[in-house]
Amino acid sequence: QKEVEQNSGPLSVPEGAIASLNCTYSDRVSQSFFWYRQYSGKSPELIMSIYSNGDKEDGRFTAQLNKASQYVSLLIRDSQPSDSATYLCAVDSSASKIIFGSGTRLSIRP
Amino acid sequence: EPEVTQTPSHQVTQMGQEVILRCVPISNHLYFYWYRQILGQKVEFLVSFYNNEISEKSEIFDDQFSVERPDGSNFTLKIRSTKLEDSAMYFCASSEAGASGSTDTQYFGPGTRLTVL
Repeated sequence: QKEVEQNSGPLSVPEGAIASLNCTYSDRVSQSFFWYRQYSGKSPELIMSIYSNGDKEDGRFTAQLNKASQYVSLLIRDSQPSDSATYLCAVDSSASKIIFGSGTRLSIRP
Repeated sequence: EPEVTQTPSHQVTQMGQEVILRCVPISNHLYFYWYRQILGQKVEFLVSFYNNEISEKSEIFDDQFSVERPDGSNFTLKIRSTKLEDSAMYFCASSEAGASGSTDTQYFGPGTRLTVL
């Protein structure tokens, strides 16, 4: 059974600080990794995709991938109250399917 | 910016009734998907669809479920005889064809909240 694991949180971070979200996955052959943000009652919204080992930056967001450790993370710099949401890690398990972790609830406190 | 749309936003039905959930994927996308999310639980894959046929389906996607692309724009999920446990948010997603076997980025619609009474 292929798995994507995330700490459910809640993770509480002061406004302006760095939020660090982590994810591990079980399938060594996975090639595509995604971070989605989901506000309560809404659909998943893509934040970033990453395919190669190392860091990928997009504005305040940095995704980090380490395939040897089967680990992917998301850093959010200068956290804002609007960043408060559930962050979903998703990993491909075949060419036509991705599987999601349970998500980490992030709360940015003013 | 192109987006995936879904109708209706909320569907209430009686147990045993048939429901059809509709989606309009992003126009140049070739892969289509349905996911569901039971309240408080993770997003679960149901089915993927490419070139007018199912590419992959999960064990949730049993004989009560079917998908169809009836025309060039719509993608539908039908549940033949709804059960109480089918109550969930149903999300449609689409992606451009993946290259070299890799999964391309999936963009999600706003979802249909299905309530089975």
